[in-house]
Amino acid sequence: AQKITQTQPGMFVQEKEAVTLDCTYDTSDPSYGLFWYKQPSSGEMIFLIYQGSYDQQNATEGRYSLNFQKARKSANLVISASQLGDSAMYFCAMREGQGAQKLVFGQGTRLTINP
Amino acid sequence: NAGVTQTPKFRILKIGQSMTLQCTQDMNHNYMYWYRQDPGMGLKLIYYSVGAGITDKGEVPNGYNVSRSTTEDFPLRLELAAPSQTSVYFCASTVSPGQGDTGELFFGEGSRLTVL
Repeated sequence: AQKITQTQPGMFVQEKEAVTLDCTYDTSDPSYGLFWYKQPSSGEMIFLIYQGSYDQQNATEGRYSLNFQKARKSANLVISASQLGDSAMYFCAMREGQGAQKLVFGQGTRLTINP
Repeated sequence: NAGVTQTPKFRILKIGQSMTLQCTQDMNHNYMYWYRQDPGMGLKLIYYSVGAGITDKGEVPNGYNVSRSTTEDFPLRLELAAPSQTSVYFCASTVSPGQGDTGELFFGEGSRLTVL
């Protein structure tokens, strides 16, 4: 079974609109972490935001917020006031437990911001 | 700050050749990883290391070998290259658990390998 599922292969959004990128996960470990990374066309992996399974509040980092719904096992990324520079691939990833800190990645969502 | 440095950035290999992808980090991270990313896909873990002298297999280790003789360096060896190993390879590192961080991975810029 997929541990991380991103069901949107591609998303197209108008500049300045908010966008939600979906991510669901599967784990039986009570301790886990959820990450979002951005990969622009240049190829590097840029860390955006982190949510721990025991965190009471949804994580926020500037225009990025993580809509964490633990019972539904979802960790959607919300980008407010989208910009042309937000066009990129976005990956959701999960770390289970506190051991080797290995991340399992989803297949990604390609976000395109239209002017 | 150099962070995680990978070399080479691009390489073309012939089937059956061998090569080593180099990775070094200057953040004193104990944990290091090698991932591969096939076109249009997410990253898959090849090997990882939790400290010098300790390595372990990830999800897709076949056809690869690693070593970790120092904290800074984590080279990935491809033996008998095959077209299926055409991919972008990322090295990453992070702090040990309990060092008060999120455990985010810091990535190198990637190495694009083509096997013909």
